[in-house]
Amino acid sequence: GAVVSQHPSWVICKSGTSVKIECRSLDFQATTMFWYRQFPKQSLMLMATSNEGSKATYEQGVEKDKFLINHASLTLSTLTVTSAHPEDSSFYICSARKVAITGELFFGEGSRLTVL
Amino acid sequence: AQSVTQLDSHVSVSEGTPVLLRCNYSSSYSPSLFWYVQHPNKGLQLLLKYTSAATLVKGINGFEAEFKKSETSFHLTKPSAHMSDAAEYFCVVILDDKIIFGKGTRLHILP
Repeated sequence: GAVVSQHPSWVICKSGTSVKIECRSLDFQATTMFWYRQFPKQSLMLMATSNEGSKATYEQGVEKDKFLINHASLTLSTLTVTSAHPEDSSFYICSARKVAITGELFFGEGSRLTVL
Repeated sequence: AQSVTQLDSHVSVSEGTPVLLRCNYSSSYSPSLFWYVQHPNKGLQLLLKYTSAATLVKGINGFEAEFKKSETSFHLTKPSAHMSDAAEYFCVVILDDKIIFGKGTRLHILP
């Protein structure tokens, strides 16, 4: 199966700093990647859809200036949480679709962000 | 509008007994259907998928799911639960380019 790598797995930062999370498709090209946020004991909440070479499409209620998404290549998308605050602490997960669309999503292992 | 309903937020079964996790979807035509499993502090792992081929789909770790169009269901089953099956399970529907997650079912395995 396809592999999606997410880094870092855990990150702790001070309030006011920015944090970057990377999502890489290791053995396939992904024209579309997705970023989710997951609160404890809840389902995944789609934050944005990231298409290679174009601007991300954000879901309603997600601040695009707060959560910067870049999809510069077919194998890498990044999520930057800018000026992080404790309420941004969460589990962030990315997923990717192969170029040859089968509909199947491949998920990263997730990144646990804790903002002090 | 499309939707996915996981009827049980929690399911508890004894080790060695069958597992049934229920999923119903709402769609005017057949979508692609998936079951994913999530262990604590981990990403989601694909268990199985239905994409308009055989209606009975076999997945990893002994899991199966049957697509029943008449009932708009895609329930996940396993004949004999193992302690390692304790996790959160998500039913996911993909229709056109829209991805819809169920709210998840927490599976507890009792010794």
